[in-house]
Amino acid sequence: DIQMTQSPSTLSASVGDRVTITCRASQDISTWLAWYQVTPGKAPKLLIYQAGTLESGVPSRFSGSGSGTEFTLTISSLQPDDFATYYCQDYSSYSPWTFGPGTKVEVK
Amino acid sequence: QVLLVESGGGAVQPGRSLRLSCVASGFAVSMYPIHWVRLVPGRGLEWVAVLSHDDTERFADSVKGRFTISRDVSRNTVSLQMTSLGIDDTALYFCARSIGLWPPHPFDYWGLGTLVTVS
Repeated sequence: DIQMTQSPSTLSASVGDRVTITCRASQDISTWLAWYQVTPGKAPKLLIYQAGTLESGVPSRFSGSGSGTEFTLTISSLQPDDFATYYCQDYSSYSPWTFGPGTKVEVK
Repeated sequence: QVLLVESGGGAVQPGRSLRLSCVASGFAVSMYPIHWVRLVPGRGLEWVAVLSHDDTERFADSVKGRFTISRDVSRNTVSLQMTSLGIDDTALYFCARSIGLWPPHPFDYWGLGTLVTVS
């Protein structure tokens, strides 16, 4: 099975900061990579798919890039609603669908 | 409007069973794969199982042989039957939809989750 890692595990930032999260896959997954935002009490939200395609309705301050084994999620100007945990997901395989361990973005 | 609502969670003793349900609205569960994903304290998101529109079933190794998945078209519901529960099954369980299994698709809609506590 493909393993996913993320860095950092926790990120302290302030409103307005530019934030970058890195995700790495143990094998080449092309661009079959998604990013999700998980906030307590809310349904997880798909932000980015195909490594760099913004899901409909997601603010343009979110962007994704990468291919193969290394990917990044960038928030260009952090907003109060963005304090959450972010997960990358490999969806290249028929099964299993593997998530990274998560990156918590907290208030500095 | 697509909506997914989970129910059936609760507190159970190790070795017992629990049945989770995911009621969908805004689309037919017979037309889309429905996944179960859990948020495990300290471990993050873990994919658990999927039931596809073509009746394909897949399970994570950690639940294989203990969990089963089924669909009730009349109630537009997908259920996850969990048996021989252990403390490692403690989690917030979400159901989520994807457009299809192949070509690959991410999970575009999720529910709020239902909490399962095994102790």
